[in-house]
Amino acid sequence: DAGVIQSPRHEVTEMGQEVTLRCKPISGHNSLFWYRQTMMRGLELLIYFNNNVPIDDSGMPEDRFSAKMPNASFSTLKIQPSEPRDSAVYFCASSPGAAGELFFGEGSRLTVL
Amino acid sequence: AQSVTQPDIHITVSEGASLELRCNYSYGATPYLFWYVQSPGQGLQLLLKYFSGDTLVQGIKGFEAEFKRSQSSFNLRKPSVHWSDAAEYFCAVGPYGGATNKLIFGTGTLLAVQP
Repeated sequence: DAGVIQSPRHEVTEMGQEVTLRCKPISGHNSLFWYRQTMMRGLELLIYFNNNVPIDDSGMPEDRFSAKMPNASFSTLKIQPSEPRDSAVYFCASSPGAAGELFFGEGSRLTVL
Repeated sequence: AQSVTQPDIHITVSEGASLELRCNYSYGATPYLFWYVQSPGQGLQLLLKYFSGDTLVQGIKGFEAEFKRSQSSFNLRKPSVHWSDAAEYFCAVGPYGGATNKLIFGTGTLLAVQP
């Protein structure tokens, strides 16, 4: 079975550019999470979707960040404009629901110069 | 407020030695508890989970963890460490925020295994 698929795996961009990270969750999972991992702050939950609907975006750092889930098999996390402090590994995870474990993708490593 | 504390940032053990990674939590009710492992350049993988029942839970790769309510702890153990166990380990607790699968993660413990 395919796991959570994220793209790109690595992204290097310059400050001010738009960045779009993509995620395909596991088929049948109804919850999707975007996390950010940095050395300083560890794993931070950015946003959480349930049945394609954003439920909690309180972790989104600021208006430069936005996330969408147009259907059950695809989600995007967009940063516009990007800043060096956005450099991190961004993980997407999906879950089958109630008390379910999270299944993580391999992450997208973003470097903003 | 719910929180998870992993007091050890970095641990080094010899191959074949036993291992215990500490996890303490703050939670208002009986939590769901998880241990995840992250190998370099990879996502997190679930090792084991506790929801209810037997307080000693078995996981993959020979790991086990024991839930101790009186100590608010959920320590991870392995009797004999292999070099391939070198990775970062995360304890997590949930649910919170009204969602049964929202988790709070600890800051992680980086395990090094020396020959």
